[in-house]
Order: sequence, then C-alpha cells, then structure tokens
Amino acid sequence: AQSVTQLGSHVSVSEGALVLLRCNYSSSVPPYLFWYVQYPNQGLQLLLKYTTGATLVKGINGFEAEFKKSETSFHLTKPSAHMSDAAEYFCAVRYSGGYQKVTFGIGTKLQVIP
Amino acid sequence: NAGVTQTPKFQVLKTGQSMTLQCAQDMNHNSMYWYRQDPGMGLRLIYYSASEGTTDKGEVPNGYNVSRLNKREFSLRLESAAPSQTSVYFCASSEVQTRVTGELFFGEGSRLTVL
Repeated sequence: AQSVTQLGSHVSVSEGALVLLRCNYSSSVPPYLFWYVQYPNQGLQLLLKYTTGATLVKGINGFEAEFKKSETSFHLTKPSAHMSDAAEYFCAVRYSGGYQKVTFGIGTKLQVIP
Repeated sequence: NAGVTQTPKFQVLKTGQSMTLQCAQDMNHNSMYWYRQDPGMGLRLIYYSASEGTTDKGEVPNGYNVSRLNKREFSLRLESAAPSQTSVYFCASSEVQTRVTGELFFGEGSRLTVL
C-alpha cells in the first residue's frame, strides 16, 4: 500500500529564513507526487507536482521541491519565508498506471515568526 | 470558474439526525472524492467515484453513504449522525487516466458539528 510520511507536524521559521518541509513516500513503482497548501478556513490548492522528467519542480509562491528516488523523498523548500506562507502543507502521492487513489500525509503547519 | 462547489458550508446536527452534503464540479472530471479532515490525522478518504455510475469505499466509510448522481454531482449522506463525525468534509474531483497526473481540485469544505 502506498503511504506518505511528513516529518514534523509543526514547523516554525523566522521571516526571511529558509523553509524546509519534509516528505517521504513508500514506493515500488514510480509515483506522482504533490504538495498542497491549505490556508485557514479554505480548501486545499495545488502548490506543485512531480510527474516525470526534471527532478526539481518549481511551484507557486516561490516554492520548489526535489524528487530524490534514491531517498524516496520529495521535500518542499522556499529560500525566504514570508508571513503569508503561514499555512498547512500536505504532501500526497499517487501511483502511475491506470486508476489509483491519492494518499495524503498528515500535514505540516508552518508558522512564520516576524 | 466555480470549480468544485460544496453545500452547506456549515451545519450543526444533533446525534441521530441525518443530512446530505452536496458537491458539484464543472470541470468535466470523471472522478470525485469525499475526504474528512481531522486535527493531526490529515485527510482521510471516505468514498470515491472513479467514474459516473461507480462508487467505492475509502479508508473510513462507516456511517456514510454516497450517490454519484451524474458526472457533475457526488453527494455524501450521514444517515444517523454521531459526535465522531464532527469534522471538516472536503469534496474533490480529478481527471484520472493513464499518463494523466490526476491532481485533485478541492471545494472549500463543509464544517459539520454533531452534538
């Protein structure tokens, strides 16, 4: 069964500091990987996705993630945190090949300290 | 573009009452989903519909029923609400085919409280 592990349910960074949110997945076949963001009292929206090809993926709002097959990881980064980045971030995986469900991690709440 | 629309946004029920959450999407997607979100547990899949006319159980189906009314609409019914069903419910849709990434598009959520 597919699974996603997000390390750290809460992460705090200072404004202007590096943001690093960790995600590892279990896989026996190449996956599709996603990061979603949820702002307070809103639904989830897609931040970025990895399908095939380039392993460094750029998303909205200056975020990017790198797919590392050898480490089964898809960590999310942003060089400089902004107050508006405070939100909950979810890593998700779907396996390629026909119909497969999307499985989510438990989420990481990012706090940005002024 | 409306995307995925859920109603109602808020609802308070008493234990034992029934209600239906409605969801509609205007993106012509084949697949639709119902998730619940609880603190510390992420999103858990309740039911999904891979295509019109089919529905399947997800991780936490007990206490719920669904209807895929047509390609656009997918409803979630609580027949006899329990306090454990207090949660935020999200409907989502996607296009799922081979070589299609199948990212989900979410509604804004329905916050349900069962007293």
